[in-house]
Amino acid sequence: DAGVIQSPRHEVTEMGQEVTLRCKPISGHNSLFWYRQTMMRGLELLIYFNNNVPIDDSGMPEDRFSAKMPNASFSTLKIQPSEPRDSAVYFCASSYRDSPNTGELFFGEGSRLTVL
Amino acid sequence: QKEVEQDPGPLSVPEGAIVSLNCTYSNSAFQYFMWYRQYSRKGPELLMYTYSSGNKEDGRFTAQVDKSSKYISLFIRDSQPSDSATYLCATHTGGFKTIFGAGTRLFVKA
Repeated sequence: DAGVIQSPRHEVTEMGQEVTLRCKPISGHNSLFWYRQTMMRGLELLIYFNNNVPIDDSGMPEDRFSAKMPNASFSTLKIQPSEPRDSAVYFCASSYRDSPNTGELFFGEGSRLTVL
Repeated sequence: QKEVEQDPGPLSVPEGAIVSLNCTYSNSAFQYFMWYRQYSRKGPELLMYTYSSGNKEDGRFTAQVDKSSKYISLFIRDSQPSDSATYLCATHTGGFKTIFGAGTRLFVKA
């Protein structure tokens, strides 16, 4: 199994530019999660999808952030416009949520974003 | 107050030492407790999983949950340099939302 695939692995951009992060979950998983990791705040849940439907986006910091999951094998996280405080490692994770909801999370290797 | 509190360390120990990593949580509704291990520049990977209170052992690793005090522990026996990583505790109520602690950086010196 290829695991969760994220791209790009590294992105350096200038303030104000649009950033799009991509994720391919593990085939057969029905839940997808976007997390952000920083030294100051640790690993924060931004949004999660179940069966391609956004369930909870309360962790999305601002309207500048948006996420989509057009099909079961692809998701994007977009930041527009980007700001230096958005610099972080963004992780995508997938899982198969069944009863009783154990749901191990499988993480990708992350996208390291630097906004200058 | 964060829902899951974890000392970020770093924690440095000699090879062969017993390591104790701990977290506290605030929401009594949490039922599922996990420990993830994250190597440098990698994503977290599930190490141990426990439901409700009690102990669970897997080789050199023991996970312990005390729901009465809302305390989560991970013990590593005979620690090895390859155990050097960040250890994150995590929990959820049985729904979709997994909450992570800040992670403790562990260094095991040869």
